[in-house]
Amino acid sequence: QSLLTQPASVSGSPGQSIAISCTGTSSDIGRSNYVSWYQQHPGKAPKLMIYDVSNRPSGVSDRFSGAKSGNTASLTISGLQADDEADYYCSSYTGSTAPFGTGTKVTVL
Amino acid sequence: EVQLLESGGGLVQPGGSLRLSCAASGFTFRDYVMNWVRQAPGKGLEWVSIINGAGDGTYYADSVEGRFTVSRDNSKNTLYLQMNSLRPEDTAIYYCVKSNSAWSSLDYWGQGTLVTASS
Repeated sequence: QSLLTQPASVSGSPGQSIAISCTGTSSDIGRSNYVSWYQQHPGKAPKLMIYDVSNRPSGVSDRFSGAKSGNTASLTISGLQADDEADYYCSSYTGSTAPFGTGTKVTVL
Repeated sequence: EVQLLESGGGLVQPGGSLRLSCAASGFTFRDYVMNWVRQAPGKGLEWVSIINGAGDGTYYADSVEGRFTVSRDNSKNTLYLQMNSLRPEDTAIYYCVKSNSAWSSLDYWGQGTLVTASS
């Protein structure tokens, strides 16, 4: 149950776009369309932002988008806003396990 | 509105036991897979266990296999996590989490309950 690899931190100025990568293997991300992304503000529970690689739950801004290529998934945040500053985690959910990524701290400069 | 309310956390000595509960409401509990996810202080998320809707299918992270047991009572809309032989490294906030209908993501999270294993 290996962790998926994410950059420790990503930063951007308001209005810019940033991308967070999530690298796995052919045994998890590479073979699964069940990649999801979670946002966690300090002291709060995580919130689902993207599921099934690129789908947004109701209520999530369309500034958040997801994609996958090979063993790497990505989350893009466009039009960066102050409230986007948070930790972000990817996950490749299989139904029997749900390994998470190492987490990325997004800082809005 | 989906609500998940965890309880049962607290301070326990290493080697001790604790049982967490999660009261669910706002959805048909028996129809959904449920999970426990934990987060050690200042650390990332770690998936802990999963149980199917009927309660007869369970999986665990290697780190808790043989020590933790997940169960559910669909008549009470409640999820449980029995934690035995607790170790200091089990210290974390434990979240009760609902899977979506396709088992492909974790769509609703409780607010968590803190478990501290320390002497």
